[in-house]
Amino acid sequence: DAGITQSPRHKVTETGTPVTLRCHQTENHRYMYWYRQDPGHGLRLIHYSYGVKDTDKGEVSDGYSVSRSKTEDFLLTLESATSSQTSVYFCAISGQGFDGYTFGSGTRLTVV
Amino acid sequence: DAKTTQPPSMDCAEGRAANLPCNHSTISGNEYVYWYRQIHSQGPQYIIHGLKNNETNEMASLIITEDRKSSTLILPHATLRDTAVYYCIVRSMGTGANNLFFGTGTRLTVIP
Repeated sequence: DAGITQSPRHKVTETGTPVTLRCHQTENHRYMYWYRQDPGHGLRLIHYSYGVKDTDKGEVSDGYSVSRSKTEDFLLTLESATSSQTSVYFCAISGQGFDGYTFGSGTRLTVV
Repeated sequence: DAKTTQPPSMDCAEGRAANLPCNHSTISGNEYVYWYRQIHSQGPQYIIHGLKNNETNEMASLIITEDRKSSTLILPHATLRDTAVYYCIVRSMGTGANNLFFGTGTRLTVIP
């Protein structure tokens, strides 16, 4: 989607290796989010950020860490990837008002 | 945030109006109704939102009942590209980030 990009789009990694996913926005929005989507579970919030260096946990944060050193970038790190973290990861952004979230195109991560 | 109930699937003939219902009987006074859709393997897309008045934009119309316990998303002239999973979400507005609870949504299939 315009204004938000995720990288990489696809990644295959081995169990136990660290992985970092990047979300980049050009909208100067305050809030950024990381979700994962799995069959039967819908979208679940991992972590979110409400400003530079301000982050908080979502409902499925175990095994994940995040960092936001600049307004435009929100990084999601899997310190030691496990097969249960195989999923599609979506980043989203939102502003201060009542408008909806804008989602990225997703990153398909496979941990083998 | 209040939870929502949607039928798991619906069909609609191409060119006809698609009416997608949503039940949110526990909605509170400061919660808005949002609709998103997710076309296969893409990130969710914001469609429309409202508080208590009916709303219309270039994509759809949102009809909210007077007691606000249910709503209907209307796609006036469904096309094949409207085939997607549609999510109804209720969300309160505060000063901080707001998590969107997506649930499982309604899978709409537009039939030629």
